Amino acid sequence: TQLLEQSPQFLSIQEGENLTVYCNSSSVFSSLQWYRQEPGEGPVLLVTVVTGGEVKKLKRLTFQFGDARKDSSLHITAAQPGDTGLYLCAGAEGDYKLSFGAGTTVTVRA
Amino acid sequence: EAGVVQSPRYKIIEKKQPVAFWCNPISGHNTLYWYLQNLGQGPELLIRYENEEAVDDSQLPKDRFSAERLKGVDSTLKIQPAELGDSAVYLCASSSDRGGGELFFGEGSRLTVL
Repeated sequence: TQLLEQSPQFLSIQEGENLTVYCNSSSVFSSLQWYRQEPGEGPVLLVTVVTGGEVKKLKRLTFQFGDARKDSSLHITAAQPGDTGLYLCAGAEGDYKLSFGAGTTVTVRA
Repeated sequence: EAGVVQSPRYKIIEKKQPVAFWCNPISGHNTLYWYLQNLGQGPELLIRYENEEAVDDSQLPKDRFSAERLKGVDSTLKIQPAELGDSAVYLCASSSDRGGGELFFGEGSRLTVL
């Protein structure tokens, strides 16, 4: 059973469209991270959110941490083929335990 | 600065054979993780080290898996004997702190058990 549920599992969109990926849990996290993983590589950190209600922007990517620190979303504006990859959320419990969701596979078609 | 280095990148073995994976973390990173990742899924923690001490190995199948981190730097993950279900990518990661900080991952070792 996954501690973090990500949805949708797969997402295929046309270049220029917007998309949102969700990460939900019944647990409260001290912080939440988003990673992107490309085929044949390890995950790479995109952002860490710490405060409930926090919103962070990274160019065309917007990350939001829920007020109760149980859920998060990632929104991509005007997606590009380079955004293709597996998006993973990871929640930190206590001071060290990091648990990953199953990921959302995003495909952006040119 | 060199990243996390893993070897081998690919390994194909027959079931019941042993296999070992090696990881060299980023210099100065005290925390080292081994994760298992199945295709299209998120990483699942196998073991976490703080220096040379295994502080979380609750998800490591100890009947066939073993790991060590001698001198608190490099680490080796071993499977003996391998089973068909062990086919996956084994990821090593390191971090400079214990508390929810950024994990730096290697490229992984892809294991295929025939």
